[in-house]
Amino acid sequence: DGGITQSPKYLFRKEGQNVTLSCEQNLNHDAMYWYRQDPGQGLRLIYYSQIVNDFQKGDIAEGYSVSREKKESFPLTVTSAQKNPTAFYLCASSIGGRTDTQYFGPGTRLTVL
Amino acid sequence: GQQVMQIPQYQHVQEGEDFTTYCNSSTTLSNIQWYKQRPGGHPVFLIQLVKSGEVKKQKRLTFQFGEAKKNSSLHITATQTTDVGTYFCAGSNYQLIWGAGTKLIIKP
Repeated sequence: DGGITQSPKYLFRKEGQNVTLSCEQNLNHDAMYWYRQDPGQGLRLIYYSQIVNDFQKGDIAEGYSVSREKKESFPLTVTSAQKNPTAFYLCASSIGGRTDTQYFGPGTRLTVL
Repeated sequence: GQQVMQIPQYQHVQEGEDFTTYCNSSTTLSNIQWYKQRPGGHPVFLIQLVKSGEVKKQKRLTFQFGEAKKNSSLHITATQTTDVGTYFCAGSNYQLIWGAGTKLIIKP
C-alpha cells in the first residue's frame, strides 16, 4: 500500500526537551511538508521540501528544524525554543510543486507536560 | 500577503438540511482544492477546480469556482452523519494558501 506514515501517533514531552517526529512516504513524491494544527484552527505551514537536501521555511518555522536526506523521509524536530509546541502535527507530500494536491499522513499529537 | 478567507467557521445543521461553505481569495487563483478532515483525522483531498465558472459534483456535494477565479463554494445537499468534519479550501497560485476551514456539526 502506498501512503504516508507518521510516528508516533501520540507524543508527550517535558518542557525543555527536543523531540523528533517521523514522516515517511512511499508514494515517490518529490515534495514534502509539515503543518501545525491547533484546536479548531486551520493548517499552518512549518517547513517544506521540494527536493532532497533542500528545504524552505514556512510561515511558522521558528523553534522547528527539519532534514531531507532521503526522498522518502522528512523528520521534524520540535526544539526547546518552540514556546508553545502542544499541537497536532501533520506531514504531507505532493508529486511535485507546491500547488499540487497534497496527501496527508495520520498526524502526531504532541503534548508538552 | 495572499489570503484565502473561509466562512462560516462553524455550521450547525439538522440531519437532512443543506450545508454551504464559502472561500474568497484576495487574488486571482490558478485553481482551488477542497479537502475534508474528519474529527480526529487528517485532511483528505476531495476535488480540484481549475476553470473559471467551473461546477463539479460528487454525489450530494457540489463545488463551484467563481467566474473571476477568486471565490469558491462547497454545497452539501441533505447532510448525513457521515458528512461531519471540517471542510478546507486551499487556493493555488505559486503555493497553496489554506482557508481556516468550516466545521460541519450535525445537531442531535
